[in-house]
Amino acid sequence: DTAVSQTPKYLVTQMGNDKSIKCEQNLGHDTMYWYKQDSKKFLKIMFSYNNKELIINETVPNRFSPKSPDKAHLNLHINSLELGDSAVYFCASSPTPGQRLSNTEAFFGQGTRLTVV
Amino acid sequence: AQKVTQAQTEISVVEKEDVTLDCVYETRDTTYYLFWYKQPPSGELVFLIRRNSFDEQNEISGRYSWNFQKSTSSFNFTITASQVVDSAVYFCALSEANYGGSQGNLIFGKGTKLSVKP
Repeated sequence: DTAVSQTPKYLVTQMGNDKSIKCEQNLGHDTMYWYKQDSKKFLKIMFSYNNKELIINETVPNRFSPKSPDKAHLNLHINSLELGDSAVYFCASSPTPGQRLSNTEAFFGQGTRLTVV
Repeated sequence: AQKVTQAQTEISVVEKEDVTLDCVYETRDTTYYLFWYKQPPSGELVFLIRRNSFDEQNEISGRYSWNFQKSTSSFNFTITASQVVDSAVYFCALSEANYGGSQGNLIFGKGTKLSVKP
């Protein structure tokens, strides 16, 4: 039973298209995240959502829009895709300090490899 | 500003050798958390350990051990008797209590690629 699942695992699309990556967690965590890993393996946080509210929004183009329909889901929509958007995108979740869960670290999904051609 | 530095970009060892991966961090917070994650060739990110800023006790888990020293702002990771299956990219990460509140708001180092040859 996968804790954090992302779909699709691979996504190849043309420049200018709009695409979405879905993420779901079944851990009961209140906080979810999106991270981007570039071609040099550098990992950087993009967004952090707590109970469907945006907490952190790092310097990300507004073509990227996270949407959280409920606290178990955080989807990433990307408009007008550019070549530089090619990367691996990781979804993650973790408890907030108020949640009394034994493990407080972040759990990551398997990643979505986005290739823009 | 917060920062994590992993100065070793790549390390190559022969199986059964011991290897230490270095991590140096910068933070102004007094409450923070340090992590190590492993990314094997299959691509997923696997949590290895968390340490909070008030707990400088070193930890050993099987062949893995971690050395946390606040005086030098370091959180180094040692693999004893390395095995081929240890080949992966290892990331050190920092989470500050005042940065979003949750431990998943991570600042990652650039990673160290470890290759263990038979």
